[in-house]
Amino acid sequence: QITLKESGPTLVKPTQTLRLTCTLSGFSVSSRGVAVGWIRQPPGKALEWLGLIYWDDDKRYSPSVQSRLTITMDTANNQVVVTLTDMDPVDTGTYFCAFRPADGTYFDSWGQGTLVTVSS
Amino acid sequence: SYVLAQPPSVSVAPGETAGITCGGKNIGGKIVHWYQQKPGQAPVLVIYYDSDRPSGIPERFSGSNSGNTATLTISRVEAGDEADYYCQVWDSGLTHLVLFGGGTKLTVL
Repeated sequence: QITLKESGPTLVKPTQTLRLTCTLSGFSVSSRGVAVGWIRQPPGKALEWLGLIYWDDDKRYSPSVQSRLTITMDTANNQVVVTLTDMDPVDTGTYFCAFRPADGTYFDSWGQGTLVTVSS
Repeated sequence: SYVLAQPPSVSVAPGETAGITCGGKNIGGKIVHWYQQKPGQAPVLVIYYDSDRPSGIPERFSGSNSGNTATLTISRVEAGDEADYYCQVWDSGLTHLVLFGGGTKLTVL
């Protein structure tokens, strides 16, 4: 069974850097063909794709956050980490990590999400 | 940039059929996936590759994709189907590799 769980701060101040960890179970982040994506959802709004990391450490970022976003993998702990710099109140929302199966184009397992509020 | 357009809301009576559309230029040439999201929960994949159902998803859920519109159809709607539904495409030719629609709130009357 594949599970993902996000962890990190629930409150960050404007201009600070957000660091969230996605802990994976049921698959290896380095399994050929898989990928882990990050998606966020402002309160009451739609899903927004932020970026993803492939099994071979290749990465793709959304142009809307590309200059501020970094995704890395920790194969020893089977985790994926996202950092978003220069946080702003508009970055407030629930952040999800999600599993993309090998060579798929969809996310078939999602973490529960973690709500991050940006406020001074 | 490419946009996936969904109606903000769709209402349907129990037992009826609901159709939720996802519009985009020549979307029929792309692969569309659909997610259901209930309040306070993570999205759940309900249709992938236009019309395939993951295991555990009722046969009442079906999908189609042609021309400029992809459609998620829910037959014999139940109260438990009330949720937000999102379409999604994955296209390396787009500015955004992964794109979600704006979401549709399905209300069961």
